[in-house]
Amino acid sequence: GAVVSQHPSWVICKSGTSVKIECRSLDFQATTMFWYRQFPKQSLMLMATSNEGSKATYEQGVEKDKFLINHASLTLSTLTVTSAHPEDSSFYICSAKSWGGFYNEQFFGPGTRLTVL
Amino acid sequence: SQQGEEDPQALSIQEGENATMNCSYKTSINNLQWYRQNSGRGLVHLILIRSNEREKHSGRLRVTLDTSKKSSSLLITASRAADTASYFCATDHFGNEKLTFGTGTRLTIIP
Repeated sequence: GAVVSQHPSWVICKSGTSVKIECRSLDFQATTMFWYRQFPKQSLMLMATSNEGSKATYEQGVEKDKFLINHASLTLSTLTVTSAHPEDSSFYICSAKSWGGFYNEQFFGPGTRLTVL
Repeated sequence: SQQGEEDPQALSIQEGENATMNCSYKTSINNLQWYRQNSGRGLVHLILIRSNEREKHSGRLRVTLDTSKKSSSLLITASRAADTASYFCATDHFGNEKLTFGTGTRLTIIP
């Protein structure tokens, strides 16, 4: 099956610093990638949708200047949390979707746990 | 919010028993999928059911869909300790590739 990786798997940073999270599709080309955020014991909430070569589409309430998304190639999307604060501590999960297919199948990465001190 | 509701929020059963969890959603769907998430890990895709299907099986999993009631259920038969996880339903809608996740059910299998 299709494999999606995320790096790093966990990161601890000081308040005010920026953190970059990578999402890679390892064995397929991802025309669309999605970024989700999950707080403890809660469900996944979609943050943004990114298509290769174009600007990301953010969900209502998600600050695009704080969560910078770059989908520069068909196998890589990055999420940068700028000037991170403790309330940004969360589990960030990406998913990738290839072009075509019979249904809306998304392949999920293993997630990145961000802790902001 | 378009987020679906799942019930129960938490479920504890003895190993070997069957586990049933339910998902309700708000608007017409194209597909409904079920995912499993072990603590602190990513999502594992379990099964997809299309809006024109009523029931689907995969190993010990059985999924039903009732579009008139906007609800789905996931049945895990002969549960095992390894089934301990959170289970989420996710829906997508015609013309929209975004997935909307339900609130999730935390399943604990007691050995």
